[in-house]
Amino acid sequence: DIQMTQSPSSLSASVGDRVTITCRASQDISNYLAWFQLKPGRAPKSLIYAASSLQFGVPSKFSGRGSGTDFTLTISNLQPEDFATYYCQQYDSYPPTFGGGTKVDLK
Amino acid sequence: QVQLVESGGGVVQPGKSLRVSCAASGFTFSNYAIHWVRQAPGKGLEWVAVIWHDGSTKYYTDSVKGRFIVSRDNSKNTVYLQMNSLRGEDTAVYYCARDPQQPVLYFFDYWGQGTLVTVSS
Repeated sequence: DIQMTQSPSSLSASVGDRVTITCRASQDISNYLAWFQLKPGRAPKSLIYAASSLQFGVPSKFSGRGSGTDFTLTISNLQPEDFATYYCQQYDSYPPTFGGGTKVDLK
Repeated sequence: QVQLVESGGGVVQPGKSLRVSCAASGFTFSNYAIHWVRQAPGKGLEWVAVIWHDGSTKYYTDSVKGRFIVSRDNSKNTVYLQMNSLRGEDTAVYYCARDPQQPVLYFFDYWGQGTLVTVSS
C-alpha cells in the first residue's frame, strides 16, 4: 500500500494567517491526490482533487499544488470556520490511503 | 443537493453483528459507486469497502474481508454495511461517501456525517 505522510501533525494559527500543509507519498502517484476537511460531528468536506482542482463550491482561498510524491495544501486568510483537521488521500493505486491528518487550531 | 445520511450505529459486543445504512438523496443513486470509510477514535481515516453502482462488484480492505458485507438497494437509494464477528478494533465512526465516476476513481466527492459503532463488552 502507498503510505501518505502529512506534516505537520498540528499547527496553531491566527485569523487572517496563511498556512501550508505538506503531504508526501511513498511512491509516485502522479496527480491523483485529494484533500479533505474534517470537523467533529460534521460530514467531511472534499476540497481539492487531482492535486490542484477545487471541488465545486470550495472557495479559492484553498489551493493545492504538487505532483509525483510531494504535495501542498495552502489556506489563505484563515477564518474561524477553517479551523479543522485536514487530510490528504491518494487514489492512484488500490487501496486508497490517507495521510495522518493535520489539525489546524487557533493560536 | 447531494445528501448522504448514515444510521444504525451503536454499542455491540465483540463477536456480534451490526448493520449500518447509508441513505442517499439529491442525485441519481443508481449511477454511482458508494464507499465506506472509517475513523477510529483518535486515529486517521481508513477506507473500508466499495460497491459498484449496480452492486455487481465489491471490494474490501483486508482487515474486514470475510466479516463485512456491503450491499445496496437502488430502489431505496440505500447502501448497507453488514458487520459480523465484530472486534474492538472495528470501533469507529463509519462514513459513507460517493465516488464521482464510473469506473470508480476511489475518490470521494460527497460524504455523510457518519455513524459511531462501538464494540465493547
